Amino acid sequence: DIVMAQSPDSLAVSLGERATISCKSSQSVFYSSKNKNYLAWYQQKPGQSPKLLIYWASTRESGVPDRFSGSGSGTDFTLTISSLQAEDVAIYYCQQYFGSPFAFGPGTRVEIK
Amino acid sequence: QVQLQESGPRLVKPSQTLSLTCTVSGGAISSGGYFWSWIRQPAGKAPEWIGRIYNSGSTSYNPSLEGRVSMSLDTSRNRFSLTIDSVTAADTAVYFCAGAPALTLGEPGLLTAWGQGTLVTVSS
Repeated sequence: DIVMAQSPDSLAVSLGERATISCKSSQSVFYSSKNKNYLAWYQQKPGQSPKLLIYWASTRESGVPDRFSGSGSGTDFTLTISSLQAEDVAIYYCQQYFGSPFAFGPGTRVEIK
Repeated sequence: QVQLQESGPRLVKPSQTLSLTCTVSGGAISSGGYFWSWIRQPAGKAPEWIGRIYNSGSTSYNPSLEGRVSMSLDTSRNRFSLTIDSVTAADTAVYFCAGAPALTLGEPGLLTAWGQGTLVTVSS
């Protein structure tokens, strides 16, 4: 099974500043024949279900603000919020969908400093 | 985009069977448009993918639960179901149903539509 790790566990960022979250997979999630990384990012606000933000490591889901961006390849990935807004307070999870079971990372809590 | 709603008992006794249903609106589950999944999330922890079912009835389960878990479709009522046998306190969690678009993104693990979740507590 592929195991996902995230860092940091939590971070506090001032409004308008950049937030950066790291995600590492225990094995590559890059599918060479499709030239795609099978890595997604979800946002979960308190009392809500997770919401898909980014897939294929860097493709924003429809309706997701462009301050959210994803990068990386293979086993190392990053989610960046370029200018943190109050409504971005949430827990962010990375998830691999390269192979079953589709594992989530432990999450990173983002708060306002 | 489809909408999903979980339903079922909120309290289950240890050693008994947990049964949940997800009712889908905005699309027929028999159409093949989505892979249908169940995910659970213990309090304060990350989501855990339980398994998925497709319109053909084909299933794939998380090995951590294999042997105890089963999923099925009820196309007449446009819903799909989850059962987990022999539950313990470790099965206490919020359970979500979700869908991954099969015809567009084509990846069963890419969950674009989620239900609101239902808390199931295992306790005597």
